[in-house]
Amino acid sequence: GENVEQHPSTLSVQEGDSAVIKCTYSDSASNYFPWYKQELGKRPQLIIDIRSNVGEKKDQRIAVTLNKTAKHFSLHITETQPEDSAVYFCAASKGNNDMRFGAGTRLTVKP
Amino acid sequence: EAQVTQNPRYLITVTGKKLTVTCSQNMNHEYMSWYRQDPGLGLRQIYYSMNVEVTDKGDVPEGYKVSRKEKRNFPLILESPSPNQTSLYFCASSLTLTSGKGTQYFGPGTRLTVL
Repeated sequence: GENVEQHPSTLSVQEGDSAVIKCTYSDSASNYFPWYKQELGKRPQLIIDIRSNVGEKKDQRIAVTLNKTAKHFSLHITETQPEDSAVYFCAASKGNNDMRFGAGTRLTVKP
Repeated sequence: EAQVTQNPRYLITVTGKKLTVTCSQNMNHEYMSWYRQDPGLGLRQIYYSMNVEVTDKGDVPEGYKVSRKEKRNFPLILESPSPNQTSLYFCASSLTLTSGKGTQYFGPGTRLTVL
């Protein structure tokens, strides 16, 4: 089955710096890769997603890149702000099937 | 308001006492799923359902049951809870997971403690 690995497990950056979180997946049939943000005590919420026919997607300060050949995808957050502090999860899905999540990255943005 | 609801939000119970956690969505979503979240392990899928009367096992189905008799409801049943099922549980729904249209909306979570 699909296996998703996420790195790093914790990440601390200074406000205004960029943050990058990386995920690798094992099943080349996976075609949908969402990223979720979970604030303390809250539910996970989708922040951006990418499908396998696209290499990059951007939404304001957030971008996701996908390398299908290498089977990895990354979340990039630019100009980080304290409110970006949260746990971020990547996931991979083949469609018509289960969704596998990474173990999460705790991002801390220091003012 | 479009939403996924779960009940109860918090539950403390004892080993062996059957319990049900309800999940309901009002978005006419086909796909529903249950996850458990444990520190350092992320979200692990327990069961999912592609549509009414169609359910399948996820990563960690042992000790759990589900049913999907109606499109909007997807209850999680623990027939004989054990302490290792102490966890934070999330229900989620999406329109579908086909063709990469899998935006999932999560419920607020149920924190379960089994003594």
